[in-house]
Amino acid sequence: QKEVEQDPGPLSVPEGAIVSLNCTYSNSAFQYFMWYRQYSRKGPELLMYTYSSGNKEDGRFTAQVDKSSKYISLFIRDSQPSDSATYLCAMEGNTPLVFGKGTRLSVIA
Amino acid sequence: NAGVMQNPRHLVRRRGQEARLRCSPMKGHSHVYWYRQLPEEGLKFMVYLQKENIIDESGMPKERFSAEFPKEGPSILRIQQVVRGDSAAYFCASSPLAGPSTNEKLFFGSGTQLSVL
Repeated sequence: QKEVEQDPGPLSVPEGAIVSLNCTYSNSAFQYFMWYRQYSRKGPELLMYTYSSGNKEDGRFTAQVDKSSKYISLFIRDSQPSDSATYLCAMEGNTPLVFGKGTRLSVIA
Repeated sequence: NAGVMQNPRHLVRRRGQEARLRCSPMKGHSHVYWYRQLPEEGLKFMVYLQKENIIDESGMPKERFSAEFPKEGPSILRIQQVVRGDSAAYFCASSPLAGPSTNEKLFFGSGTQLSVL
């Protein structure tokens, strides 16, 4: 079993839809959870950063962590074409950052 | 304040040649990380450096790969005798901090796409 599992998609949704992106993990040592957005031919940029179970909201983005189930989610409300990108989850504990493979999202106008 | 600068953006090498990838961290950042991204794969950690020190190289292949971050100048990722399997995007990230909270302050460059013919 890989440390971090993420469905690569692609995921295609109409503009205005709610998007749900998910990752599961197996390493109980992971304490810090992040979501990055990566546009084509660009480096990842940090979207959300959490370190505890529960929800964290930032504008149209909500990050959710369930440590008991080893499951994290990113919700995007009122999705826009500019949200079209690859979204990578990332986690850290006593090791350097471990990334998921990324989910490619397309928001269609 | 310029972001993390990586150059070249694209690098083409023939098998057996050497590849040198450069990374200038953001101003005030003394921690540099290198990641490799293969097609359809996530980012894989390679090495973590501070000025003049390699802190963690657990993700570096044992042969042909080396990294440095000198007191002056950019961090360099060096790949000797490149093979086709080295073709990938190589990303550098920098941070002003160390430890678990580093990632709240981790900034990535735009990467170097290495193509080995």
